[in-house]
Amino acid sequence: EVQLVESGGGLVQPGGPLRLSCVASGFTFNKYAMIWVRQAPGKGLEWVSGINGRGASRLYADSVKGRFTISRDNSKNTVYLEMNSLRAEDTATYFCAKAVSYEWLSEMDHWGQGVPVTVSS
Amino acid sequence: EIVLTQSPGTLSLSPGERTTLSCRASQSLTARFLAWYQQKPGQAPRLLVSGASTRASGIPDRFSGSGSGTDFTLTISRLEPEDSAVYYCQQYGNSPLTFGGGTKVEI
Repeated sequence: EVQLVESGGGLVQPGGPLRLSCVASGFTFNKYAMIWVRQAPGKGLEWVSGINGRGASRLYADSVKGRFTISRDNSKNTVYLEMNSLRAEDTATYFCAKAVSYEWLSEMDHWGQGVPVTVSS
Repeated sequence: EIVLTQSPGTLSLSPGERTTLSCRASQSLTARFLAWYQQKPGQAPRLLVSGASTRASGIPDRFSGSGSGTDFTLTISRLEPEDSAVYYCQQYGNSPLTFGGGTKVEI
């Protein structure tokens, strides 16, 4: 059974950093891209970033480019989202999702339960 | 960036009815790379359909997707109370990936 478990969320001050982690199990991790999607309170889904199976290809939404960094450690079956210079508009639940394919330009067939991030002073 | 526009915003329906949700893309999608997700309150999204018309594993056959180019639909026949949710379309043929704004279905 595929499982994705996110952690690392919480309350952070504007301008501060936060690192999210997502531990995966139940599939061959390095064969699939991983994606972060966020959802602001009461709003729709927003794609944030994706990374391919080996970590060689990554892309970011314009709204987070230059501030967020996605990475993965295939030896630990874990994908990370390093978030810096956080803003109030980054407040959201962040979901980790497994892509259907090796590349991140893909639909997502399994999702974590989500981790809340609140940016506020 | 491809913008996906979903309509209507909200639907209020009765059990057993049939409904069609619309997703319109701002430009033609590559090879029908369009997915539909269902999200219930407090839960993560669930993949329903990919490739515009292929149901994901375990999805009941009352959910069906169709369309091509810029116009796509998700049809739910024989609505059940547990189908109450927000439904999102997503395109994955062009970077960046984008989602529609969602259609809320109330049963």
